[in-house]
Amino acid sequence: DVKVTQSSRYLVKRTGEKVFLECVQDMDHENMFWYRQDPGLGLRLIYFSYDVKMKEKGDIPEGYSVSREKKERFSLILESASTNQTSMYLCASSSGTGSLRGYQETQYFGPGTRLLVL
Amino acid sequence: GQSLEQPSEVTAVEGAIVQINCTYQTSGFYGLSWYQQHDGGAPTFLSYNALDGLEETGRFSSFLSRSDSYGYLLLQELQMKDSASYFCAVSEDSNYQLIWGAGTKLIIKP
Repeated sequence: DVKVTQSSRYLVKRTGEKVFLECVQDMDHENMFWYRQDPGLGLRLIYFSYDVKMKEKGDIPEGYSVSREKKERFSLILESASTNQTSMYLCASSSGTGSLRGYQETQYFGPGTRLLVL
Repeated sequence: GQSLEQPSEVTAVEGAIVQINCTYQTSGFYGLSWYQQHDGGAPTFLSYNALDGLEETGRFSSFLSRSDSYGYLLLQELQMKDSASYFCAVSEDSNYQLIWGAGTKLIIKP
């Protein structure tokens, strides 16, 4: 079974702090994703990585950065946390080999980190 | 722009059948996926349709009409454990990203 783990389930930070959210997957997946989930808005993509050291901006990258130094690990960084970044953060991975199926790939999610910025 | 529309909430009775609709407007289309998320849990994959028609997996079925930009998830013999949010998501192009709907909260009454 694919396992995606996230460093914390709950996190409380103060405005202006630098925040690191870590995500690790154990299935040698090429693709990794960071989303935030807010009520009524579904999942919004923050950043996406399709290879080590590669990253692409998603729909809402402002205020965030990412790092992927190793294939299994994808970190989300809030450079200076603000109250509007209070949210549920979900990490996901997919294999990156699904081109024969029209690029459909199951995304496997971690349990999420609920971040509160005070 | 790109958008997916699904009802925000659906209520059904245990043992009944319920259909959750999804209409999409995207610049490209490879296929439509459905995910389930229980409260406090992570989304988990349910089904995928790339071609028109019905795909059945046990009590769950998913339908796609590409010409109508429309799909639905059909849940039969509803059980209380099916109470969850259901998301449709479109694979828009070849970069493996998904465009997500806002989710439908399914409430099941005894």
